[in-house]
Amino acid sequence: EDKVVQSPLSLVVHEGDTVTLNCSYEVTNFRSLLWYKQEKKAPTFLFMLTSSGIEKKSGRLSSILDKKELFSILNITATQTGDSAVYLCAVGSGNTGKLIFGQGTTLQVKP
Amino acid sequence: GAVVSQHPSWVICKSGTSVKIECRSLDFQATTMFWYRQFPKQSLMLMATSNEGSKATYEQGVEKDKFLINHASLTLSTLTVTSAHPEDSSFYICSAGDNNQPQHFGDGTRLSIL
Repeated sequence: EDKVVQSPLSLVVHEGDTVTLNCSYEVTNFRSLLWYKQEKKAPTFLFMLTSSGIEKKSGRLSSILDKKELFSILNITATQTGDSAVYLCAVGSGNTGKLIFGQGTTLQVKP
Repeated sequence: GAVVSQHPSWVICKSGTSVKIECRSLDFQATTMFWYRQFPKQSLMLMATSNEGSKATYEQGVEKDKFLINHASLTLSTLTVTSAHPEDSSFYICSAGDNNQPQHFGDGTRLSIL
C-alpha cells in the first residue's frame, strides 16, 4: 500500500530558529514529491521535486529529494511567526496527477 | 491569482439535504480533477478522481452513490453530497493541474450538516 509519512507531527520553535521537516515515502510509480503549506484554507504550493539531489530554494525555505532513500526534507531558516502552519508532503503517483498526502507537520513559531 | 476556484466556501444545511460543490479551473483546461476530504487536524484524503467526459474513479471506501461527481467540461467538476448527514460534515477540497505542473487547490468548502 502506498504511504507517505511525515515527521515530526508537531513542532514548537521560537522566532529565528531553523527547522527541518521530514517526509519519507513508499509509493509505486513515483512521479514527483510536493510540499504544501496549509493555514486556514486549502494548501498552497511550495515546491515540486522530481530529481534527486537538486535543492529547490525560495527565500528562507528550501527542499531536497533523495530518490534512493525515498525521502525529502523541507528546511525553514530564520523562522517567523508567519511560518506557523501545517506543512504537507505529497507524492504524485502514476499518470493521472493523483497525490498521496502525509499526515502533515504542525509548526508553531513563537515570538 | 487563483487558478482553481471552488464554490461555495461554506455550507450549513439540514440533514437529508443534497449539496453541490463546484470546482473550476480558471486559466487552463483540466481533463482530470481531484476531490479530497479533510477532517479536523487530519491530512487530506483523496476521495475520487474526476475524469472529463467519463466516470469518476473512486478510492476504496468512498461511496460513489453518496458522492456524485460530474465532470462535464474541461473547466468544471462538481461534487454532490447526496442526502447529507452530520457525519458528512467536513472540509472538501478540489484540485486540478496537468501532469507537468503541481496540483493547485481550490479554497475548499466547509460543509456543516445539522
